Amino acid sequence: AQKITQTQPGMFVQEKEAVTLDCTYDTSDQSYGLFWYKQPSSGEMIFLIYQGSYDEQNATEGRYSLNFQKARKSANLVISASQLGDSAMYFCAMNPHAGGTSYGKLTFGQGTILTVHP
Amino acid sequence: NAGVTQTPKFRILKIGQSMTLQCTQDMNHNYMYWYRQDPGMGLKLIYYSVGAGITDKGEVPNGYNVSRSTTEDFPLRLELAAPSQTSVYFCASSYGTAQQFFGPGTRLTVL
Repeated sequence: AQKITQTQPGMFVQEKEAVTLDCTYDTSDQSYGLFWYKQPSSGEMIFLIYQGSYDEQNATEGRYSLNFQKARKSANLVISASQLGDSAMYFCAMNPHAGGTSYGKLTFGQGTILTVHP
Repeated sequence: NAGVTQTPKFRILKIGQSMTLQCTQDMNHNYMYWYRQDPGMGLKLIYYSVGAGITDKGEVPNGYNVSRSTTEDFPLRLELAAPSQTSVYFCASSYGTAQQFFGPGTRLTVL
C-alpha cells in the first residue's frame, strides 16, 4: 500500500519569494509516479507537475519544480517567485506504474494550505 | 474539448434517498475514477475503471456502485444516502498512469 505524508498543514510566504512544500511517500513499488495538484478556493483540481521514479532529472514546469530525492522518498514542490494567485491547497499524490491491484490508483496526501502575503 | 464534466454541481438528499452522479469525458481516456473529498482532507478513491465493462473498488467503496458501459461515461450511484456521504465528489480520467484530469466536482449534502 502507498502512503503520502504532507507534514505542513499551512505555509505562509511573501509575494515574490520562493516556498517549498514538503511531501514524503512510502511504497514498495519500484516504478511509480509522483504528482502535485493545486486546489484553489473555487474547488477545482489543477495538475501542476509530474515526476517518474526513474526520471534522472528533477521535473520543472515554469515556476514549479519538484525536488525529488528517491533514497529519502521525498518529492517536495518548490514554487519560485510566489504570486498572490498561488494561494491555495496543494496536494501531493502518487500512483504505482507496475502491474498489480494498485496499478494507476492515485493516493493523495492531506494537503498543505499555502497563503501568499503581498 | 469539454474535458471531464460532472452533473449536478450541487445536490441535497434526504437520508435514505438514492441518486446518480453523472461523469463524462471526451478525451478518449481508458481510465476513469471517482473520489470523495471531505472538508480539509485529501481525496479518497471510491471506485475506478480501466475500460468499458471493467470496474474495481477503491479505498472507500461502501455505499456506492458504479458501471461503465462506454468509454465516455462513468456514473456513480448512491443507494440509501447517509449523512456520512456528505462530501464533494470528483470524477477524473487519465490515459493509463499519466496525469489525471478532474471534473469540477459535485457538492452533496445528506440531511
